[in-house]
Amino acid sequence: ILNVEQSPQSLHVQEGDSTNFTCSFPSSNFYALHWYRWETAKSPEALFVMTLNGDEKKKGRISATLNTKEGYSYLYIKGSQPEDSATYLCAFPNTGNQFYFGTGTSLTVIP
Amino acid sequence: GAGVSQSPSNKVTEKGKDVELRCDPISGHTALYWYRQSLGQGLEFLIYFQGNSAPDKSGLPSDRFSAERTGGSVSTLTIQRTQQEDSAVYLCASSTRLNTDTQYFGPGTRLTVL
Repeated sequence: ILNVEQSPQSLHVQEGDSTNFTCSFPSSNFYALHWYRWETAKSPEALFVMTLNGDEKKKGRISATLNTKEGYSYLYIKGSQPEDSATYLCAFPNTGNQFYFGTGTSLTVIP
Repeated sequence: GAGVSQSPSNKVTEKGKDVELRCDPISGHTALYWYRQSLGQGLEFLIYFQGNSAPDKSGLPSDRFSAERTGGSVSTLTIQRTQQEDSAVYLCASSTRLNTDTQYFGPGTRLTVL
């Protein structure tokens, strides 16, 4: 079992604030790092798949960076909105296509 | 196009009964995954199917759990002699092939074992 950790576990921010959270994963045998957003009563939705060290991806106000050598990825949300409230999950696949998910960061944006 | 669908959306059963959970992946997706999320826990990998290859069952928590995938499409997860600790949300996901490809998740089945 691979150790994928996310921090913080939960976060409350005011509307308009920018925020970021971390996913840590094993730095050896890296294939990809996935980010998903999981809103209450919905299915997890893919945000990014990151494969290269130094990768930066952006989707609207959300962006992510990747450092495979030290084993971490940051997810940033600029100007948080109430609709950004969700649990953000990262997932790390191993060579056998087993995906190991972190326990997630629960974000609440207060209007 | 149609996404991943799962049925039933909710299932309440009595301890000791068998249950079957169904997943219809996106058409053309050769990879299919089952996960579960128990209360307060993260997503736990259960089993992975890739095309016609033998499934990776290494995540199944006990021999009461089994899964099959017929014709490389629809999958059924069966839990025999359910226990209270089996209560969880069971999620299915499909993707095109590789671990670098996005997974598309179904809405999940919430299983409650009384």
